[in-house]
Amino acid sequence: QSVLTQPPSASGTPGQRVTISCSGSSSNIGSNTVNWYQQLPGTAPKLLIYSNNQRPSGVPDRFSGSKSGTSASLAISGLQSEDEADYYCAAWDDSLNVYVFGTGTKVTVL
Amino acid sequence: EVQLVQSGAEVKKPGESLKISCKGSGYSFTSYWIGWVRQMPGKGLEWMGIIYPGDSDTRYSPSFQGQVTISADKSISTAYLQWSSLKASDTAMYYCARRVGDQNAFDIWGQGTMVTVSS
Repeated sequence: QSVLTQPPSASGTPGQRVTISCSGSSSNIGSNTVNWYQQLPGTAPKLLIYSNNQRPSGVPDRFSGSKSGTSASLAISGLQSEDEADYYCAAWDDSLNVYVFGTGTKVTVL
Repeated sequence: EVQLVQSGAEVKKPGESLKISCKGSGYSFTSYWIGWVRQMPGKGLEWMGIIYPGDSDTRYSPSFQGQVTISADKSISTAYLQWSSLKASDTAMYYCARRVGDQNAFDIWGQGTMVTVSS
């Protein structure tokens, strides 16, 4: 059972903006940076955002991350069909001494 | 090209042992931590543990401590995940991934190894 809570699903039409929330606590998001991963169907996860809001080379600037207190968010602007995937937030948890992943959010492009 | 290449899919019986591998290339294998992540069928990601191939310093998630063994052979740039006695509940996809910097971000992932345990 994950300690980072995400909505199970999110959807939008092409071109829309979609936001995914990630709720944690003082021992994880509240005291450590948040990363986001994208997992396309049948493939390995891919690092999408690190250190709360940094994009690795090659990740489109349509993806952005933010963090406030014990919550974080991932925004996808200009939604495209290839963005259909599962998205996971993640952070180190100082109390559990583990790297915790969020429950995951499935994004559907309508 | 920086990459992690994992060993192929495995089908095992309960009680059998197994060791899967993750070979790094294109970078200094001994300078980055390698983590293992489990994904059970239709489920989310779970961090199992991590190893620093440079000195084999290993950390485990409490959920997996004692259930698996993580190791590495730096001479061949390969990390391993092994079980001494598999259970049906070990059926899952297992990923290795490289940790970058101090932010616990995993920037390079292996393609995954599917382990099926069935009698």
